[in-house]
Order: sequence, then C-alpha cells, then structure tokens
Amino acid sequence: RKEVEQDPGPFNVPEGATVAFNCTYSNSASQSFFWYRQDCRKEPKLLMSVYSSGNEDGRFTAQLNRASQYISLLIRDSKLSDSATYLCVVIPYYGGATNKLIFGTGTLLAVQP
Amino acid sequence: GAVVSQHPSRVICKSGTSVKIECRSLDFQATTMFWYRQFPKKSLMLMATSNEGSKATYEQGVEKDKFLINHASLTLSTLTVTSAHPEDSSFYICSARDGRVTETQYFGPGTRLLVL
Repeated sequence: RKEVEQDPGPFNVPEGATVAFNCTYSNSASQSFFWYRQDCRKEPKLLMSVYSSGNEDGRFTAQLNRASQYISLLIRDSKLSDSATYLCVVIPYYGGATNKLIFGTGTLLAVQP
Repeated sequence: GAVVSQHPSRVICKSGTSVKIECRSLDFQATTMFWYRQFPKKSLMLMATSNEGSKATYEQGVEKDKFLINHASLTLSTLTVTSAHPEDSSFYICSARDGRVTETQYFGPGTRLLVL
C-alpha cells in the first residue's frame, strides 16, 4: 500500500464550481499534513497546511480526519487559474527520522471556461 | 518568502557524461536540503537528505555512488549524476529547510535532465 494515495483525476469542472479532493495516508503516526500545488513543468508550491481543527484560506478549505486517516481539500468558486495538480503531502513518523515529505501522485484539476 | 535557486534549469547531455546540479538557498541558511526526482506523471520521490557538513542520507534504492551529493556550506548543495544514462532523464528538484521553521521546505525551480 502506498504511503499517500490520491485519485489522479483529472477533475474537469466549470468555472465557479466547487470541487473536493481526498487523500489517504497509511502511517497512523503521521505528524503533519499539507496540500501543495504544482503547475505543469514547475516546482511544487505550498498551498496550505492541514490542521486537525480544519483550516480555511479564502476559497480553499482543508480538513484532517485522523481516525480515518484522510485529508481533504475543498475549492469553492473555481477559477481558471486554479487549474493545476494538487499534491497531498504527509510527514510520517518513523520513530526517529522525521521531516521527510512524502508526496502523493497528485490530482489534476482542469477548470473549464 | 524564502528563495531557492537551481542551476542549470535544463541540461541535455550524452550518455556516459556526468552532470552537476546546484541548489542554493538565497536568503536563509539551510542546514538540510533534500533532493527529489519526478518522472512524467509521477509523484516526487525523495532521493536523499543532505545535511551541511556531513554525509547525505540516501533513500532505499538510490545509488549513492551514482548520485553524489555535497553540502559544503549552509547555502549550497550539489547533486552530481555520474555516468548518466537515458533512464536518468528526469526532473530533479531540490528543497531547503529553513532552520528557523523546522517543517517548512522551500523548493527550487527544478532541473530537467535529458540524457541522449
């Protein structure tokens, strides 16, 4: 089983739509969770951290469910500029070595005009 | 935000040659830098963790003699792909951890390597 799993998509949605991505992780002792955004042929950029209490940044809302070991990202009022690959990232805990980012394969979002 | 640069941005080389990629943190000191590789439509895979002044820690399956990492200063790490072959063609990305904020990693723009 992969450490971090995502639906690769693509998710094709019209402008203004609400879209949600889910991600599951296998290491129950994982410490930190993030969503990154990666544009085509570019480096990943941090979108937001994910906290147990949930957090919101404008049109973006992230949620963490530790019991079920999944995190989600909700994008409201989609813009054309939101088109990108969204990467779920986890920092697992191996009983000593930490701070390694484990990336999911990413979910491709294409917002249509 | 913090800035990380990589050089070169892209390189094409013949099979058998060695290629050096530089990763620099421009406005902060990075005690730890990470090297990733990403094949088309695949996830970023961590290759190695580079700590300033000590040997790099390689992930399982990554040959340390093929991918030489040097982290001689707090702002520079280099990755040398030795005797490159076509299967080494990939997108290589470094990241640097800002020592003041332990979990935050800043990514370089990546280097596209094509081995003919």
